Amino acid sequence: EVQLVESGGGLVNPGGSLRLSCAASGFTFNNAWMTWVRQAPGKGLEWVGRIKSKADGGTTDYAALVKARFTVSRDDSKNTLYLQMNSLKTEDTAVYYCTTGAILDFWGQGTLVTVSS
Amino acid sequence: EIVLTQSPGTLSLSPGERATLSCRASQSVSSSYLAWYQQKPGQAPRLLIYGASTRATGIPDRFSGSGSGTDFTLTISRLEPEDFAVYYCQQYGTSPPKYTFGQGTKLEIK
Repeated sequence: EVQLVESGGGLVNPGGSLRLSCAASGFTFNNAWMTWVRQAPGKGLEWVGRIKSKADGGTTDYAALVKARFTVSRDDSKNTLYLQMNSLKTEDTAVYYCTTGAILDFWGQGTLVTVSS
Repeated sequence: EIVLTQSPGTLSLSPGERATLSCRASQSVSSSYLAWYQQKPGQAPRLLIYGASTRATGIPDRFSGSGSGTDFTLTISRLEPEDFAVYYCQQYGTSPPKYTFGQGTKLEIK
């Protein structure tokens, strides 16, 4: 059974940093493309960024709104996906989900990030 | 940049009725990269349809997807109580690589 468990969310001041983690199990993590999607309170879904498998180059792509502030990385030895978020803004407040594959076929339960002073 | 517009914003129907949800793209998208998701309150989204018309594993056959080019449709043939939720369409673009979601259609019980 595929399981994705996000952690690391919380309250952070504007301008601060936070690192989210997503622990994966039940599939071959090192072969998977992994994606972060967020959802602001009461709003729709928004793509954040993606990392390909190392076999496919391990490259990353980002939404324009987060590029240069957020970094997606992976540790295949730990079956873990990360999202490093810097220079956080109030509009980054959202539930952050990690998802699998190019078609976003499995989702974690999400972790809430609140950016507020 | 491709924009996906879903209609209607809210759809009020009764169990047993047929639901038709629309997703219109601002320019032509590849059917291979068009998907639909269901999200219930307090839960993560769930993949329903990918490749515009292929049901994901475990999705009941009352859910079907169709369309091409700029117009795509999700149809639920006979609504069950558990189908009332928010539905999102999504497309994946390759140049530049990015995922775009529609704003969602809320399917509510009439």
